[in-house]
Amino acid sequence: GAGVSQSPSNKVTEKGKDVELRCDPISGHTALYWYRQSLGQGLEFLIYFQGNSAPDKSGLPSDRFSAERTGGSVSTLTIQRTQQEDSAVYLCASSSGGGGYETQYFGPGTRLLVL
Amino acid sequence: DAKTTQPTSMDCAEGRAANLPCNHSTISGNEYVYWYRQIHSQGPQYIIHGLKNNETNEMASLIITEDRKSSTLILPHATLRDTAVYYCIVRDSNYQLIWGAGTKLIIKP
Repeated sequence: GAGVSQSPSNKVTEKGKDVELRCDPISGHTALYWYRQSLGQGLEFLIYFQGNSAPDKSGLPSDRFSAERTGGSVSTLTIQRTQQEDSAVYLCASSSGGGGYETQYFGPGTRLLVL
Repeated sequence: DAKTTQPTSMDCAEGRAANLPCNHSTISGNEYVYWYRQIHSQGPQYIIHGLKNNETNEMASLIITEDRKSSTLILPHATLRDTAVYYCIVRDSNYQLIWGAGTKLIIKP
């Protein structure tokens, strides 16, 4: 079946502009996760959704970052007033249940470059 | 912080078995060992996970020591497409995956 999809695959923006990144999880998966990966680094957790609710937003680096999920499916990660340090690959994952030991399956990521 | 230690890089000849070690000496009884890999410019790909017993699937085998303080991921017949960064992750029921730097595995022809 279809895996996790993300769009756009690449995004170049100017410092100070807002960007929206989209994630389509695997159909039927109730849990959705956002991670960030800087060049040459491991993944950094940002936020977790169970259904449309985000029990844990502690990983968001600043109040410029926000995320929402509607209809228990698609999620959007928004970065306002982008800074050069926001440049990274933003990865989305989904799992069939929230928490527990459900395996997380990842999308291909969105490569964000802030000039 | 990541609870695992992995070598920074490894080489393996094509067609041979690739054995990737992972130390997790502080692992707790309810924590699983997960392995993912990330091929260049792609999202992480799930490989396998286990708790106590050895596990095998179509991609790999996972050998966990009896004391659970270390494990080895085995790719039985490595191909050039297995060149990737391999991440060993110790995970409890928490939803967060905490990632280390992984092992860069290079398969050589």
